Amino acid sequence: NAGVTQTPKFQVLKTGQSMTLQCAQDMNHNSMYWYRQDPGMGLRLIYYSASEGTTDKGEVPNGYNVSRLNKREFSLRLESAAPSQTSVYFCASSALNRDKPLAGYYEQYFGPGTRLTVT
Amino acid sequence: KQEVTQIPAALSVPEGENLVLNCSFTDSAIYNLQWFRQDPGKGLTSLLLIQSSQREQTSGRLNASLDKSSGRSTLYIAASQPGDSATYLCAVTNTGNQFYFGTGTSLTVIP
Repeated sequence: NAGVTQTPKFQVLKTGQSMTLQCAQDMNHNSMYWYRQDPGMGLRLIYYSASEGTTDKGEVPNGYNVSRLNKREFSLRLESAAPSQTSVYFCASSALNRDKPLAGYYEQYFGPGTRLTVT
Repeated sequence: KQEVTQIPAALSVPEGENLVLNCSFTDSAIYNLQWFRQDPGKGLTSLLLIQSSQREQTSGRLNASLDKSSGRSTLYIAASQPGDSATYLCAVTNTGNQFYFGTGTSLTVIP
């Protein structure tokens, strides 16, 4: 059980280049998320997907696109990278968990992160 | 929009001390609150989750409390150890789909 995996771990891009960050979870979770983490700003939600086939904007969606490829995979694409997108990107997943002692709550599980630098 | 604040931003304590980390949120209509730990260069690890109907949760030396009406949660760490050094974040959700995070408290436990 790998949990949430992300690739790549590190990436350096030049301004204007494009790339896709990959995320996969093996916990059969319905919901998946992309966050960015910047010093002094905390984690901010970029996009989320409440279920397969649906995606919604979060707090900071500009400059990003997402694809919920199937229940397991949720990718984040930067079409034309900008230095302001230098950040650490985290993918997460969650599900309504009725099997735990406290039935019916959402708990988030995070991937290890992708450190992206745009020069 | 939900705003989450964590105070202090940084804390340094000698080994063995008990300590309290604070988290406050502006919209009390939350579904649950989750405390995480983040080590440098790593992802987030879930520590405790409190449902809106609960007052506290305990796991080992950690105890998290929730006062929903006042928009506050505390994370109590007993008998701190150097291995507890990390950044601690709290997050709340109002819907189960969007989570709002604080900026974290960076804890250093000095041997």
